[in-house]
Formats: sequence, structure tokens, C-alpha cells
Amino acid sequence: QQQVKQSPQSLIVQKGGISIINCAYENTAFDYFPWYQQFPGKGPALLIAIRPDVSEKKEGRFTISFNKSAKQFSLHIMDSQPGDSATYFCAASSPQGGSEKLVFGKGTKLTVNP
Amino acid sequence: DSGVTQTPKHLITATGQRVTLRCSPRSGDLSVYWYQQSLDQGLQFLIQYYNGEERAKGNILERFSAQQFPDLHSELNLSSLELGDSALYFCASSVAPSGDSAQYFGPGTRLLVL
Repeated sequence: QQQVKQSPQSLIVQKGGISIINCAYENTAFDYFPWYQQFPGKGPALLIAIRPDVSEKKEGRFTISFNKSAKQFSLHIMDSQPGDSATYFCAASSPQGGSEKLVFGKGTKLTVNP
Repeated sequence: DSGVTQTPKHLITATGQRVTLRCSPRSGDLSVYWYQQSLDQGLQFLIQYYNGEERAKGNILERFSAQQFPDLHSELNLSSLELGDSALYFCASSVAPSGDSAQYFGPGTRLLVL
């Protein structure tokens, strides 16, 4: 059972464009939603995270949009750069609900062409 | 560099064998997580330890076991290995055990079972 569904599987964007990755979840107990970035040969690294009490969080060129009623959240990368080429994972957990484990989406491989 | 170290980096072994993967968390982190990453299953949470005690369990097979030692390093033991166990195994650490505590991933151990 995949608890967090991520799309698209792969994404190609031109330099300077906007990259958008979407995730949907079913478990309404989830209350923490991080995004991780993974470069080839490296472990995932925390990029940005959001809780459901806010609809948007921005850190530099990276923005998370959160729609609680639709049970969806997305990552927007503005002014995408070749250095952003990596695999991005959304995840969810319910620390307040007593479940501390992170459930990951299957990942989106982003390629930013120069 | 996340500050989490994992050894070995690569491991090649045969079916039926037993291997031990080692993880040293970031200085000051008390919680250690183990994940398995494969192409078809994505990032799967295996098990979490906090200050030496098992905290949460995920999709960990009975052939796999882990422990966290008094110096906080952790070992993941994989026995009776099967071809399907070939994957990347990541260790992550965090300061607190809760699901919203930022997890820092190590570089991983790539296991190949022949």
C-alpha cells in the first residue's frame, strides 16, 4: 500500500523554468511533510518541510504548497538550475499521532537542461 | 557531508550469507534510522533506535536485525541473504526520536547479492 503517491516519475525542465512535483496522501493523521533531495551516489538531504497549519512555505527558490482538503502538497522550484538536477522525494509522518516513521513517495528524477 | 558515516561503502556477497552494515550518527544525535532503497520499492523505512532502544519498526524482514550500542553507533545485520536483498541501505540520524525531527542521511552502503 503506497501511502504517499508522487508524480511525475521524471521531469525535464529548461534552465530558468519552474519545476513542479506533486504528492498526494490518504492518511489524514499525517501532519509533517518534508521534501528530500538526492544526488547520484549520495544519501537524501532534507530540503524543506511543512506542517498542515500553513498553506505555503518558501525557502529561497524552493516553495512547498499544501492543500489540506485535497490531501495534496507540491514542491515548486523557481528559476531551476542545472545544479538542481537530482531526485526529489516527498515524505510524510504523523509525529503527533504517535507514528514517527517517515513514509516516502517513489521519487521524481529532475533534469534541468542548460 | 551530513556527518553520518556508513561502512562499508560497497559490499558484494553470495546468497545465504550474512553481512553487517555499520552506521555512526552525527555527533549529538541519539536516534538512528535504517532505510532500504531499491528501484522498485523506493525508500523503505526498516527500523529506528533511540538511545539504545528500539523505537519504531517498519518493513523489516525477520532475517534482518539491528541494534544501537552505548556509543550510539548502530549495526544492521542481514542474514540468509537473497538476490532480492540487493539494494542501497541508508542510515539516518536525528537529535530527537519524533517523526518531525530532521533526519540526516549517510552516504549509504550498496549491497550486491550474487
